[in-house]
Amino acid sequence: DTGVSQDPRHKITKRGQNVTFRCDPISEHNRLYWYRQTLGQGPEFLTYFQNEAQLEKSRLLSDRFSAERPKGSFSTLEIQRTEQGDSAMYLCASSSSPDGGSYEQYFGPGTRLTVT
Amino acid sequence: AQTVTQSQPEMSVQEAETVTLSCTYDTSESDYYLFWYKQPPSRQMILVIRQEAYKQQNATENRFSVNFQKAAKSFSLKISDSQLGDAAMYFCAHIRGGSEKLVFGKGTKLTVNP
Repeated sequence: DTGVSQDPRHKITKRGQNVTFRCDPISEHNRLYWYRQTLGQGPEFLTYFQNEAQLEKSRLLSDRFSAERPKGSFSTLEIQRTEQGDSAMYLCASSSSPDGGSYEQYFGPGTRLTVT
Repeated sequence: AQTVTQSQPEMSVQEAETVTLSCTYDTSESDYYLFWYKQPPSRQMILVIRQEAYKQQNATENRFSVNFQKAAKSFSLKISDSQLGDAAMYFCAHIRGGSEKLVFGKGTKLTVNP
């Protein structure tokens, strides 16, 4: 079990550019989550996948954001036309189906995005 | 909507002493779960302890224990015999049964003094 991995760990981009982040969940986990964490705040839910289906999206996920999980394995989060307000840590988490009410989400190290 | 409040932005404790971090939450659901996550500096968030709302017994994991007061909607974390490695941001989180969305508080920064 190698844990949840995210790539890149840091990304600096100029306003208006597009960026894409990747998340590789724990291999047997069918649920995958994206959260955003800004300085001084707790993580905020962005979206959730069960296998390849995107089942829930937060209103925080504007039209400039898109997430995919092809084949129910890794996931990508793309931000188009980045804005300075997009600067944050983007966290990915994964989970197996609730079994006896597990609901434990395992987090990756995050991708820190800085928009200049 | 569920909310989680951590009223202590920062706490400090002497090594080997005990510290309690506070958390209150607001929910109208009866089926939910509560968590404490630890986020060390520049490292990933890890689960410290979990409490099912239907269980009356407070959860315990080694030096970590909770005081779950369901009627008061309070969920505090007690760390006994504090160690330098306990220094981190601690986040309280709530998830209602059937949901996949964790709702986090703003966190408490714990400093452990040698």
